[in-house]
Amino acid sequence: EPEVTQTPSHQVTQMGQEVILRCVPISNHLYFYWYRQILGQKVEFLVSFYNNEISEKSEIFDDQFSVERPDGSNFTLKIRSTKLEDSAMYFCASRWGTLNTGELFFGEGSRLTVL
Amino acid sequence: DQQVKQNSPSLSVQEGRISILNCDYTNSMFDYFLWYKKYPAEGPTFLISISSIKDKNEDGRFTVFLNKSAKHLSLHIVPSQPGDSAVYFCAAVTTDSWGKLQFGAGTQVVVTP
Repeated sequence: EPEVTQTPSHQVTQMGQEVILRCVPISNHLYFYWYRQILGQKVEFLVSFYNNEISEKSEIFDDQFSVERPDGSNFTLKIRSTKLEDSAMYFCASRWGTLNTGELFFGEGSRLTVL
Repeated sequence: DQQVKQNSPSLSVQEGRISILNCDYTNSMFDYFLWYKKYPAEGPTFLISISSIKDKNEDGRFTVFLNKSAKHLSLHIVPSQPGDSAVYFCAAVTTDSWGKLQFGAGTQVVVTP
């Protein structure tokens, strides 16, 4: 069964360092997302991406965050200068469908620990 | 931001019995509701959904009920099986922000033999 894959599964970094989290969405999907879950808190939306541009972003997704689809398969989340509060599980998701159909398929997550 | 609430952090149920998970929401603009299931070290997996124009949707052992006037939905699992032990998230979305799911805090379900 097709699945969303994410790397790395766990990354430990020092505060202020740049981090890139990588995702390979399901191949025929057109819409891509990043969510995160801080330990003990809800899963929260970060950004959606369609047709090579951001379609929506949350207030969390400030200038320190960026997303890119550098080729036909990868979808990346970059955090330019990590802060302690960026420590969380980051989930990539993708879906097919039209503008308002199709459920999201999530990857297994990348755990980011900022020291 | 508490637009979607799951007030029961945990639920323990015996194998074979019914599990009922509850979810409340405050935003009347939500027009689609979803339940996701999550095992440890895995991402959320889609389980079942319901449009706001319906009050019930059934898929095998899983049924979701929606009461729009009360802004309440519930997930029934019958019969519960040990493999159902997981965290269940309620989520809601508006048609114009389809992928922007608003999640509840989750309910940990433990199915005991």
